[in-house]
Amino acid sequence: KNQVEQSPQSLIILEGKNCTLQCNYTVSPFSNLRWYKQDTGRGPVSLTIMTFSENTKSNGRYTATLDADTKQSSLHITASQLSDSASYICVVSALNNQGGKLIFGQGTELSVKP
Amino acid sequence: DAGITQSPRHKVTETGTPVTLRCHQTENHRYMYWYRQDPGHGLRLIHYSYGVKDTDKGEVSDGYSVSRSKTEDFLLTLESATSSQTSVYFCAISESNPRDPGSYEQYFGPGTRLTVT
Repeated sequence: KNQVEQSPQSLIILEGKNCTLQCNYTVSPFSNLRWYKQDTGRGPVSLTIMTFSENTKSNGRYTATLDADTKQSSLHITASQLSDSASYICVVSALNNQGGKLIFGQGTELSVKP
Repeated sequence: DAGITQSPRHKVTETGTPVTLRCHQTENHRYMYWYRQDPGHGLRLIHYSYGVKDTDKGEVSDGYSVSRSKTEDFLLTLESATSSQTSVYFCAISESNPRDPGSYEQYFGPGTRLTVT
């Protein structure tokens, strides 16, 4: 069964600190993996996308990594800001010759405190 | 929110009543999607559209119908609302063909919070 599991479910950190969010997936055949940021009361917005051959992708203070062998991805946030408070969603795309689908994780709720 | 609006943004309705949610885009994207988001679940696909008058079912389509009479509008109808349909509903647009939904980014609207009492 295609699944995407994220950990932790929630996280509280102090402003300025770094943090790492985890995403484990059992999706086959794998096409790509995206991290989305969802602010409270808003729709998700894409941060990064990685394909099978990419190990790391950065977007400002956000750095995503992908280990396709262990089927794990992480999102590292450097020097956190209050505006980083949001839910972060890992989305894996599966694709075969019959079509594709997106499998969404449940998200990690990050709270950055002053 | 990438030129996507959803209306209404909030709605409270009673069990058994029909409800229609509207998604409007100004980006001229061909493909549109409706999702629901519930605590403890990832976003789940309800219906999607390949274009005008061309729609198909997603993984949680029971109790929902859709229509797309114009490129810019995608309507989601709850034929007879139930408490299990209390959720936040998101519309998304994309250049990704639903046969390969991950090929391009999906852009999400701001969501509609629906409460069925």
